[in-house]
Amino acid sequence: AQKVTQAQTEISVVEKEDVTLDCVYETRDTTYYLFWYKQPPSGELVFLIRRNSFDEQNEISGRYSWNFQKSTSSFNFTITASQVVDSAVYFCALSEPSNTGNQFYFGTGTSLTVIP
Amino acid sequence: NAGVTQTPKFQVLKTGQSMTLQCAQDMNHEYMSWYRQDPGMGLRLIHYSVGAGITDQGEVPNGYNVSRSTTEDFPLRLLSAAPSQTSVYFCASSFFQSSYNEQFFGPGTRLTVL
Repeated sequence: AQKVTQAQTEISVVEKEDVTLDCVYETRDTTYYLFWYKQPPSGELVFLIRRNSFDEQNEISGRYSWNFQKSTSSFNFTITASQVVDSAVYFCALSEPSNTGNQFYFGTGTSLTVIP
Repeated sequence: NAGVTQTPKFQVLKTGQSMTLQCAQDMNHEYMSWYRQDPGMGLRLIHYSVGAGITDQGEVPNGYNVSRSTTEDFPLRLLSAAPSQTSVYFCASSFFQSSYNEQFFGPGTRLTVL
């Protein structure tokens, strides 16, 4: 079973629209970490945010915001007033600490295209 | 501070050839890992290491070997390349069991096996 599900494979929006990328995770651990990464067309993976399981406070960083809800096991990412530079593949990831290290599980990614 | 470096950036192999993808980090991270990225499948963990001399298998380890003789280096070896190993390979590193264990990724190696 997928530990991280990103049901939206591809999304297209017109510039300045808001867009929400969904992420649903599955874990039995009480301590875990959630991440979002951005992969622009150039191919590198850029870290955006981390959240630990004990911190359900939503976070806003400029046009980006994240909504973490343990009750629904979701960690959604919203881009407000999207721009062409936001076009990228976005990955949600789950980390479950263990004695053998922090294993990361990535979702399959959501490809976002912002149309000018 | 170079972060995570990977070489080569591109590689073409013939079926059956062997090669080593290099990965190095200068952040003194204990934890290093290799992923492959295939269309529609996200990043899948191949092997990982929690410190020098310690390695373990991830989700898709078959056809790959790793070793970790130093903290800095974590090479990935393809023993006998197959077309199914055509992919983009990412190396990553992080602090081990830190509260903020963000993974830092290298730029990737695009491998084609003919």
